[in-house]
Amino acid sequence: QKEVEQNSGPLSVPEGAIASLNCTYSDRVSQSFFWYRQYSGKSPELIMSIYSNGDKEDGRFTAQLNKASQYVSLLIRDSQPSDSATYLCAVNGYNTDKLIFGTGTRLQVFP
Amino acid sequence: GAVVSQHPSWVICKSGTSVKIECRSLDFQATTMFWYRQFPKQSLMLMATSNEGSKATYEQGVEKDKFLINHASLTLSTLTVTSAHPEDSSFYICSASNVVGEVFQPQHFGDGTRLSIL
Repeated sequence: QKEVEQNSGPLSVPEGAIASLNCTYSDRVSQSFFWYRQYSGKSPELIMSIYSNGDKEDGRFTAQLNKASQYVSLLIRDSQPSDSATYLCAVNGYNTDKLIFGTGTRLQVFP
Repeated sequence: GAVVSQHPSWVICKSGTSVKIECRSLDFQATTMFWYRQFPKQSLMLMATSNEGSKATYEQGVEKDKFLINHASLTLSTLTVTSAHPEDSSFYICSASNVVGEVFQPQHFGDGTRLSIL
């Protein structure tokens, strides 16, 4: 089992819809969780960080964490074509600053 | 947000050349800097982790004599690809992070260096 799993997609949503991106992780003692956006040919850009169970909202983005289910998700409201990118889920293990990345989900928002 | 500068952004050079890439955290002191490599349509692959003033920790399969890492200060780390060959052509990306209390802060990435070896 991979340590951080994501559906590779592509996930296609129409402009204005909600895009839902999901991620599961295997290490129960993981403490820090991050979502990065990576445009083709560019480096990753931090979108959200979340450390405790529940929802965290920032503009059009909401991160959700459920440690009991080892599940973290990212919701993008009012999706725009400019949101089209690969979204990487990343997790810190216990007492380590190394990130374990999922393989990413490619999101396509069509007009 | 935190800013990480990486330079150069693009290098083309002949086989056998050594190439040095710099990574700077501009507005925070980075406890740790990381070096990644990414081939087209593939995931980020961690190459090594470096802490200021100590030797870098390399991931399995990464040659430490080929990829020299120096972390001289809390704001600067360098990666030198020695005697580069075409198979070293890739997108190299650095990141930096720090710790607040006991919580590892997010890694912030530089813009990356696209290395092409002829």
